[in-house]
Amino acid sequence: EAGVAQSPRYKIIEKRQSVAFWCNPISGHATLYWYQQILGQGPKLLIQFQNNGVVDDSQLPKDRFSAERLKGVDSTLKIQPAKLEDSAVYLCASSLGPETRGTDTQYFGPGTRLTVL
Amino acid sequence: EDQVTQSPEALRLQEGESSSLNCSYTVSGLRGLFWYRQDPGKGPEFLFTLYSAGEEKEKERLKATLTKKESFLHITAPKPEDSATYLCAVRLYNFNKFYFGSGTKLNVKP
Repeated sequence: EAGVAQSPRYKIIEKRQSVAFWCNPISGHATLYWYQQILGQGPKLLIQFQNNGVVDDSQLPKDRFSAERLKGVDSTLKIQPAKLEDSAVYLCASSLGPETRGTDTQYFGPGTRLTVL
Repeated sequence: EDQVTQSPEALRLQEGESSSLNCSYTVSGLRGLFWYRQDPGKGPEFLFTLYSAGEEKEKERLKATLTKKESFLHITAPKPEDSATYLCAVRLYNFNKFYFGSGTKLNVKP
């Protein structure tokens, strides 16, 4: 079974530029998550989708971050404009669903390392 | 305020020296507690899920336990390949919110 795919793996941009990350979840997984992981910290959930609807985006900085999940499959996360403090690894994860024991296990992609100069 | 705290931040063990990692939580309405392993440059890898106090799960040299306030990840006779950062996370009933701790970085010396 193919895992969660993310691209690009690395991205370097100047502050105030825009950047987008792409995620393809495991086939059949209804729930998709985006996390931000700053060096030395645990991942922080930015947004959670159930199919193509948003379940929780309470920690997403909505003035500069946006995310969408078209057709309930692939997702993109965008930052516009980027700040120095956005330098981090952006992780995508998916699960069958969040509600039921056994289906709520999240499987993570390799992440995108973003450096903002 | 919902909080997940892991200790110690870092742990150095000799090969074969057993120890435990702690994850304490102060949350309203715990739905489940998860343990993950993360190697440098990679995404977290799922290890265990615990749903009820008193529950235990085992996998090779790892055993996870859960009480109403904390979870332990016991490592028996560790090997150098067990070196990684171990993360715990909690899922809440409240909008299925999900929070990670900051992790314990384990280094096992041969």
